[in-house]
Amino acid sequence: QQPVQSPQAVILREGEDAVINCSSSKALYSVHWYRQKHGEAPVFLMILLKGGEQKGHEKISASFNEKKQQSSLYLTASQLSYSGTYFCGTGSNFNKFYFGSGTKLNVKP
Amino acid sequence: EAQVTQNPRYLITVTGKKLTVTCSQNMNHEYMSWYRQDPGLGLRQIYYSMNVEVTDKGDVPEGYKVSRKEKRNFPLILESPSPNQTSLYFCASSLSLQAGHEQYFGPGTRLTVT
Repeated sequence: QQPVQSPQAVILREGEDAVINCSSSKALYSVHWYRQKHGEAPVFLMILLKGGEQKGHEKISASFNEKKQQSSLYLTASQLSYSGTYFCGTGSNFNKFYFGSGTKLNVKP
Repeated sequence: EAQVTQNPRYLITVTGKKLTVTCSQNMNHEYMSWYRQDPGLGLRQIYYSMNVEVTDKGDVPEGYKVSRKEKRNFPLILESPSPNQTSLYFCASSLSLQAGHEQYFGPGTRLTVT
């Protein structure tokens, strides 16, 4: 039931854009996005709920296709600080939570 | 400051020696959860709790126990640790996961079982 993320790794130059995808074989109740820097705890980026409600940081955008059970995270005009590993997480209405295996993003000057 | 704290941050122990990793949050959150993180596998949920005295198994509960006697605390207990439980452990809390609130993570506990 772990969601599948793609790509596994991305290398960008500062200012370039990236899209990270997350898909699930199970019906999604919500999709969460977190970023983790090396040696640190994951930090919340965005939540997308069924029905279109979103909550998160202004500079981050994401989409949630309930029918396809997919979500995408859009990183535009990337900065060095965007480097890290991005995880999507999916919640069920039973409060179990599943994280994807992560996408490593490396932004170079 | 709103935070989730874990102790200890680092622990090296031997097989079979019971240990407890403490987790505490000061945000009055109802939902708390434990995850383990292993290279290439992401974060996997061990146990979660929706409120005091309400706990349930996550994806990888074998070898672990938890309790939720107070709202703020959610300790993780390894009764007889084994080397395959060597991992990075995170505690997290949320106002309500079901209502669409984010999780706040503790700093992590790196456990090595020899």
